[in-house]
Amino acid sequence: QQQVKQSPQSLIVQKGGISIINCAYENTAFDYFPWYQQFPGKGPALLIAIRPDVSEKKEGRFTISFNKSAKQFSLHIMDSQPGDSATYFCAASNSGGYQKVTFGTGTKLQVIP
Amino acid sequence: SAVISQKPSRDICQRGTSLTIQCQVDSQVTMMFWYRQQPGQSLTLIATANQGSEATYESGFVIDKFPISRPNLTFSTLTVSNMSPEDSSIYLCSVELSTMIYNEQFFGPGTRLTVL
Repeated sequence: QQQVKQSPQSLIVQKGGISIINCAYENTAFDYFPWYQQFPGKGPALLIAIRPDVSEKKEGRFTISFNKSAKQFSLHIMDSQPGDSATYFCAASNSGGYQKVTFGTGTKLQVIP
Repeated sequence: SAVISQKPSRDICQRGTSLTIQCQVDSQVTMMFWYRQQPGQSLTLIATANQGSEATYESGFVIDKFPISRPNLTFSTLTVSNMSPEDSSIYLCSVELSTMIYNEQFFGPGTRLTVL
């Protein structure tokens, strides 16, 4: 019930294309859904996050789409650039008790010129 | 946000020895967390460390193997004890900060541990 399932495991996208990463959760108590970006040799960095009271959030080229009824959310990277090549983790947490964050399995994105 | 540093950044250790990893934050924080990230894998929470109380360990992690100290609001250590090659991993500390949106988690750069 605490799992967050993420797909695909890896993704290769042409420069300028759209990268799409999908996540699904089961625990309806989750009320906060962040995405993290991790470059090799670095710790994860918060990229963008969404609460379930909105269906979409956009920050620059990055957009989260959220489907509460399906318990799914996705990250879209528009106009993907080689500098976006990294591993992306979706995550989920709830505000009950201390905020334990459950991470997805990660997607390794490679943007080729 | 928070600036988090970890020492050492990487180390190669012999089986049976112990390594203490330090985590320093540039601001006072209540909640600090220690994660393990095995190569190519996701993040697994080891324990939550609050200042002034015993660390809370997740299932599969025990204090004898991963003792944690939290002497003040800006510092914590994680010790990996009696190491085996299976402990080879990246160890990350993170902190929770209140922002306008939520209680956000920020991560340190990690400590890459190799056990021979």
